[in-house]
Amino acid sequence: AQSVSQHNHHVILSEAASLELGCNYSYGGTVNLFWYVQYPGQHLQLLLKYFSGDPLVKGIKGFEAEFIKSKFSFNLRKPSVQWSDTAEYFCAVNGRGYQLTFGKGTKLSVIP
Amino acid sequence: NAGVMQNPRHLVRRRGQEARLRCSPMKGHSHVYWYRQLPEEGLKFMVYLQKENIIDESGMPKERFSAEFPKEGPSILRIQQVVRGDSAAYFCASSPPAANVLTFGAGSRLTVL
Repeated sequence: AQSVSQHNHHVILSEAASLELGCNYSYGGTVNLFWYVQYPGQHLQLLLKYFSGDPLVKGIKGFEAEFIKSKFSFNLRKPSVQWSDTAEYFCAVNGRGYQLTFGKGTKLSVIP
Repeated sequence: NAGVMQNPRHLVRRRGQEARLRCSPMKGHSHVYWYRQLPEEGLKFMVYLQKENIIDESGMPKERFSAEFPKEGPSILRIQQVVRGDSAAYFCASSPPAANVLTFGAGSRLTVL
């Protein structure tokens, strides 16, 4: 069975600080990897995805993630956060098409 | 260009009542998925539907929960005789056929008193 672990439940940063959110997954086969973000009161939206190819993936709003197969990790990074990045971030994996397995989410609070 | 529309956004029910959550997929999407997020948990897959057809309901609780996606109109997730443990956020997503990326709605938050 697939599982996803997000290490941090709540992260608090000052504006301009660098961000790294951890995500580890367990699955025996080929996976697709995703990061979704949910801004307060809004829908879940896709930040970035990895299917194959270059393991460093760039997404929207300056986010990127690196797939490290040997570590089963897909950490999300941003060099300099803004107050508007305050949101909840979800890592997800699928190995079987439509059935996404999500982590528990990480709440990010950015202090101006 | 409306995305996935869910309503109601918030629903309060007393124990024993019924809850109906609706989801209109994105234009051009024929596949609908329902996920549930319990407090302090990640989203968990419940059911996958195409028009008039349930493809995979392996994540649905065996009793009281049902889902449909009729030929016309939105997909509906129905919870009969709600209990406090049903309090959660219910997310709907949609996709075109054979797609690997889902588009999610904003969720419907059910509170059972």
